[in-house]
Amino acid sequence: DQQVKQNSPSLSVQEGRISILNCDYTNSMFDYFLWYKKYPAEGPTFLISISSIKDKNEDGRFTVFLNKSAKHLSLHIVPSQPGDSAVYFCAASRRSGAGSYQLTFGKGTKLSVIP
Amino acid sequence: ETGVTQTPRHLVMGMTNKKSLKCEQHLGHNAMYWYKQSAKKPLELMFVYSLEERVENNSVPSRFSPECPNSSHLFLHLHTLQPEDSALYLCASSQSLAGGFTGELFFGEGSRLTVL
Repeated sequence: DQQVKQNSPSLSVQEGRISILNCDYTNSMFDYFLWYKKYPAEGPTFLISISSIKDKNEDGRFTVFLNKSAKHLSLHIVPSQPGDSAVYFCAASRRSGAGSYQLTFGKGTKLSVIP
Repeated sequence: ETGVTQTPRHLVMGMTNKKSLKCEQHLGHNAMYWYKQSAKKPLELMFVYSLEERVENNSVPSRFSPECPNSSHLFLHLHTLQPEDSALYLCASSQSLAGGFTGELFFGEGSRLTVL
């Protein structure tokens, strides 16, 4: 059973407009939620995160919103740029044994920003 | 140069071969991970090492054997694999801290494995 779900496999947005990527989760024990960005032939790179006790975190063009009651988070990118075209993974983190962390990932959403 | 380096980047092996994937992190982290990414599936956690001890083994078949000789190096030894094991294998590291950690993992670029 998938604990982190990204129901949209792809999204196309015009350059300059807002991109909204969505993610749902089922486990209430997650401590943090993260977004990773992945270009082809590269490993995922961290983009932005939010603590489970917050409802919003903003970093430049990127804002993550968390709705705990709905077990839903979203990533807003505004304005969208062609260089934002990549696969975006939603991930949820919980502390594991001996100070390590388990990240559970969604399947990813491929964002295409059209010039 | 990335903080997490994986070699080889591409590997083709037969089902009877024995090979190893290598990961090295230059970030001073003390936790390391192996993830598997198959087509159309989420990244799947395979193993977690913290302070050189294995703390998680996510029901991975014994044909995958991890080794963590020190906090900077992680290996994944492969033997008698199946074609369905073909995937991108990603190594990651993190810093285990009592507080201030947000769950961020730093990933390598991955080793693309093809089993014939």
